[in-house]
Amino acid sequence: GDSVTQMEGPVTLSEEAFLTINCTYTATGYPSLFWYVQYPGEGLQLLLKATKADDKGSNKGFEATYRKETTSFHLEKGSVQVSDSAVYFCALSSNRDDKIIFGKGTRLHILP
Amino acid sequence: NAGVTQTPKFQVLKTGQSMTLQCAQDMNHNSMYWYRQDPGMGLRLIYYSASEGTTDKGEVPNGYNVSRLNKREFSLRLESAAPSQTSVYFCASSVQQGPITGELFFGEGSRLTVL
Repeated sequence: GDSVTQMEGPVTLSEEAFLTINCTYTATGYPSLFWYVQYPGEGLQLLLKATKADDKGSNKGFEATYRKETTSFHLEKGSVQVSDSAVYFCALSSNRDDKIIFGKGTRLHILP
Repeated sequence: NAGVTQTPKFQVLKTGQSMTLQCAQDMNHNSMYWYRQDPGMGLRLIYYSASEGTTDKGEVPNGYNVSRLNKREFSLRLESAAPSQTSVYFCASSVQQGPITGELFFGEGSRLTVL
């Protein structure tokens, strides 16, 4: 079945460092891909998405490009801030049904 | 701007007790979902409802039942709680019915402890 694999955390970086969180997927057809973020004590919220190959999603300085050839959707940010500390989830939605499948999440700590 | 509202936010149960988690959305969304979140496991889908009157099993449905009471409300019931059901439960909704290209909107979560 469909699945998402993302790098395990926690990831600890200093403020202004470059961030990459890797995400790869397995799916039949052409899924839509998402990154969600969960701040402490809150539910998840959509960070960015891409619905077809080569699309780039971006929001709040974060970017991810839908790479069909490598089945990847890596999250990047050029200069992280302490306020970016959160758990990040990569997810996909199959084009066959109504479900979104999430990865296990990557906890990010940004040190001042 | 209520969005997705879950109740209760916290609950402690004894093994064998039953309870219902309530979820309501005020965005006129078609699809609703229940997930559980456990350390190291991410979010796992318990049940979902693509539209009013329909429900389907997700990855981990055993030990749970759901009711899509109307378009707004989707409840999750534990008939006989077990310690393995200790988790944080999230309700979510989406506007689309069918393959999702849009956004899931989440509630703030319900933390359940089963002793």
